[in-house]
Amino acid sequence: GAGVSQSPSNKVTEKGKDVELRCDPISGHTALYWYRQSLGQGLEFLIYFQGNSAPDKSGLPSDRFSAERTGGSVSTLTIQRTQQEDSAVYLCASSLGLAGTTYNEQFFGPGTRLTVL
Amino acid sequence: GQQLNQSPQSMFIQEGEDVSMNCTSSSIFNTWLWYKQDPGEGPVLLIALYKAGELTSNGRLTAQFGITRKDSFLNISASIPSDVGIYFCAGYMEYGNKLVFGAGTILRVKS
Repeated sequence: GAGVSQSPSNKVTEKGKDVELRCDPISGHTALYWYRQSLGQGLEFLIYFQGNSAPDKSGLPSDRFSAERTGGSVSTLTIQRTQQEDSAVYLCASSLGLAGTTYNEQFFGPGTRLTVL
Repeated sequence: GQQLNQSPQSMFIQEGEDVSMNCTSSSIFNTWLWYKQDPGEGPVLLIALYKAGELTSNGRLTAQFGITRKDSFLNISASIPSDVGIYFCAGYMEYGNKLVFGAGTILRVKS
């Protein structure tokens, strides 16, 4: 597609359940980012994939959070044993991935709104 | 912690007025990006800046990359109701590969 897509757009789950959020980046973009945005807040960096390099996981808030990127394209963010404080909008972005150039402009998907009851 | 200070936190202005918001940091940045986020949507890139002193326009929007490389501003001229939303500054720090975001400026416009 023309832009970054994410699914589902909304997810309601019960505390303790696992959830998987999906991101389809723009075709040809080698860099993929996950962010979390709590209500009325700015964006919190979670994890960054660049090509075949090991991902930068420095923003993941706990070991309940993990992400993978298969085939250098689609990415899945998994949250295990969800807690109420995990409720937020999870945003995915992609870029061409060449740092220091115009190619590192990040383009965002519409986000997945996660509600943990 | 927050490495970018974005101000003001919110603005409530009359339609037709000009708007100015800015971001500052104690760190040096080599890229500044300004985004707008509408309710229920992801942020949309408005303007990208890559050189100190660079002044770039996109319609009624103008943004500048500060000479010190530690700040940037965004101006919106002759605001209209559809300018309502949250504006975020973001930047890549020197030697960094992660985009750092400001906390956002909420813009409301009275028609």
